[in-house]
Parts: sequence; structure tokens; C-alpha cells
Amino acid sequence: GENVEQHPSTLSVQEGDSAVIKCTYSDSASNYFPWYKQELGKRPQLIIDIRSNVGEKKDQRIAVTLNKTAKHFSLHITETQPEDSAVYFCAASKGNNDMRFGAGTRLTVKP
Amino acid sequence: ETGVTQTPRHLVMGMTNKKSLKCEQHLGHNAMYWYKQSAKKPLELMFVYSLEERVENNSVPSRFSPECPNSSHLFLHLHTLQPEDSALYLCASSQGPSGISRELFFGEGSRLTVL
Repeated sequence: GENVEQHPSTLSVQEGDSAVIKCTYSDSASNYFPWYKQELGKRPQLIIDIRSNVGEKKDQRIAVTLNKTAKHFSLHITETQPEDSAVYFCAASKGNNDMRFGAGTRLTVKP
Repeated sequence: ETGVTQTPRHLVMGMTNKKSLKCEQHLGHNAMYWYKQSAKKPLELMFVYSLEERVENNSVPSRFSPECPNSSHLFLHLHTLQPEDSALYLCASSQGPSGISRELFFGEGSRLTVL
């Protein structure tokens, strides 16, 4: 089955700096790659996703890049703010009902 | 009420107890999921129901028993659990693979502690 690795497990940045979280996946048939944000004590929520026919997608301060050949994808957050502090999960799916998640990255943005 | 609702939010049980977790979605989705969230581990997919039929069972011990009576409700029946089963259990729903969006909508979770 699909295996998703996520790095780093914790990340601390100064407000205004950029943050990058990286994930790799094992199954070349995976074609959908979402990112979820989970604030403390709250439910995970989708923040951005990318499909395998696209190499990059951007939404305001967040962007995701996908390298299908290398089987890795990354989340980029620019101009970080304290409210970006949360746990971020990457995931991969082949298009069935099987969404596999990474172990999560705890991002702390220091004011 | 809209979205995905889970009850109870917190549950403490002994190893010999029988309890159930309940999930209800008001989004008109046709797929529902149970995930287990333990500290510093990936979200573990436990069960998937699509159109009320179980389509995924990821080698979950038989002490966890899911039930999906209709497309809006999902249960997780628990019996003779072990302390290592203590975790946050998250329910989610989606439109399913045939939908345009594959976004998972999560509930707030049921925090389970097994003594």
C-alpha cells in the first residue's frame, strides 16, 4: 500500500519567514495530494491540494509543488504569521477511498 | 447543525467495557471514514464505507467493529480494548471518488482513554 513520509516533524520559524514542509510517497499510481492543517484541539481542515497533472499550485501565501518523477511534494508558506502555527499533514491518494497521511509537522511561528 | 458531528467528545473506559462512538454527517456525502490519531504518528485509516458498504478494512483488530446503517451515520463499536488503543478517533466524510472534490471533512474527534 501507499506509504507517505513527511519531514520535518517540527519546524520553528520567525514571523515573516518562509516555511517548507516536504513529503514523499511510494505508489506511483497516486494522483491526488492534499495538505491539511490541524490547529490545537481542532479538526484537520484542507488548506490546499494538487493533482498529478499539475506541477505547482498557489493560493495567496501558500503553495504546493509536485515532482512526479521523484515522487515528492512540498508545502511552502511565505510571510508566516502566528496564526499559521499548527500541525500540517500531507496525504496521497490513488483516487479510491484510500487517503494515506504523513505523520505531521508541528509548525511554530514565533512573533 | 451542519458538517460532521462526533459523540462523545471524550470517553474513558475500562478494558472490559463495551462502548460506541457515533458520527453523523449533514453534507450529503456518500463516503465515511474512521481514522485513528496517535501522538507523533500518521493518521491511520481504519475503515471506509462507500454508499453504506464497507470498502476498506486496514487490518484493524476485531475489538473495533464499524457499523454504517445509512449514508449519514457511522458507528465504531468498542469492546475489550487495550490501553494502546487510547487515541483520538476521527470520523470524516467525502463525496467519494466519483465526486469532483475528494476533500475529507473531519469531525472534531472522540478522545478515547482506555484504563
